Amino acid sequence: GESVGLHLPTLSVQEGDNSIINCAYSNSASDYFIWYKQESGKGPQFIIDIRSNMDKRQGQRVTVLLNKTVKHLSLQIAATQPGDSAVYFCAENSGGYQKVTFGTGTKLQVIP
Amino acid sequence: DTAVSQTPKYLVTQMGNDKSIKCEQNLGHDTMYWYKQDSKKFLKIMFSYNNKELIINETVPNRFSPKSPDKAHLNLHINSLELGDSAVYFCASSLGQGRGNTEAFFGQGTRLTVV
Repeated sequence: GESVGLHLPTLSVQEGDNSIINCAYSNSASDYFIWYKQESGKGPQFIIDIRSNMDKRQGQRVTVLLNKTVKHLSLQIAATQPGDSAVYFCAENSGGYQKVTFGTGTKLQVIP
Repeated sequence: DTAVSQTPKYLVTQMGNDKSIKCEQNLGHDTMYWYKQDSKKFLKIMFSYNNKELIINETVPNRFSPKSPDKAHLNLHINSLELGDSAVYFCASSLGQGRGNTEAFFGQGTRLTVV
């Protein structure tokens, strides 16, 4: 079946370095993608989204890149901080009824 | 002033019992959801309601029954609880249908443990 998945289950990054979290998707009909951050004991929190007619979108310290050719999505976090430690999910929406499919998640550990 | 609130936060119960989880959002959103997150952090949508109408019903046992008395509330009732139902259940809401309205706001989660 169609799925959204992540390459790395855990990523350790030194504080101040940049982080890159990757996501592969297989649903060719996917045209809208979202990154969520989930801190321990909390619900997922929206970070940034991107539509399939874009290759790149920037937010505050975060950038999402979309490569439709290889069905790959990445989240870049600049100058990673301890507060960035969390599980990050990519999610895909290909339907008009708000059905969002989540990937498996990547745990980001920031080393002080 | 919580945007999406769900109760209880923790729920421990025996197999075979019936339990409910309540969810309320004060964001004025039209769409609400229930998600299940397993021990490996995998998040899967269970149900979605838009203006009190069921629009998504994934492959969920019929022991799970959502109820939406109004568009600000979406409760989840579970009958005959099983060990495999142990998980964290998240309620979420979003503005409405269409990709521009997909940003979902999640509650804090309800950790259900069936013993």
